[in-house]
Amino acid sequence: DQQVKQNSPSLSVQEGRISILNCDYTNSMFDYFLWYKKYPAEGPTFLISISSIKDKNEDGRFTVFLNKSAKHLSLHIVPSQPGDSAVYFCAASGAGANNLFFGTGTRLTVIP
Amino acid sequence: DTAVSQTPKYLVTQMGNDKSIKCEQNLGHDTMYWYKQDSKKFLKIMFSYNNKELIINETVPNRFSPKSPDKAHLNLHINSLELGDSAVYFCASSQEYRLSVNTEAFFGQGTRLTVV
Repeated sequence: DQQVKQNSPSLSVQEGRISILNCDYTNSMFDYFLWYKKYPAEGPTFLISISSIKDKNEDGRFTVFLNKSAKHLSLHIVPSQPGDSAVYFCAASGAGANNLFFGTGTRLTVIP
Repeated sequence: DTAVSQTPKYLVTQMGNDKSIKCEQNLGHDTMYWYKQDSKKFLKIMFSYNNKELIINETVPNRFSPKSPDKAHLNLHINSLELGDSAVYFCASSQEYRLSVNTEAFFGQGTRLTVV
């Protein structure tokens, strides 16, 4: 039972354009959502997070949007850079919990 | 200076063997975890420890035994290795037990275990 889903295994975007990565979840008890970025042979590194009380959180070129009614969140990267090429994992956690539920990742390729 | 470090990075071993993976964090965090990423890239929690005490044990076979000698270390010992244990194992840590927008988890670089 996969509670966090990333239905697009891969995405290619031209440098300078917007990258939009999507994530859906099924558990309405999740109240904290994160995006992790992973390069080959490295561990996931934290990118940005959002609490369920917000619908948007912005950090530089990265913005996460949360639509609770649709149980959907997205990560926008503007403008995309070649160094952004990596696998992006969406993750979620419930109130007071200490484990993360991860999606299977989306491989982003930014073409120079 | 690596925040969460795991050794070894790669481990190839035969079925039936016993092996250990070590993890150390120098962040002063109270909570440490083991996650497993299987062949389908599904990253799932196995264990979490808070102040050396086991908090989460997610339906992991008894062959897997975590050991936390102190807050900075969480080692994973696996007995009688099976082919299905082949995966990438990630150690992680967080400042507090409860994750929130102020308390994210930091991951190690992973240990790729291959059982032949």
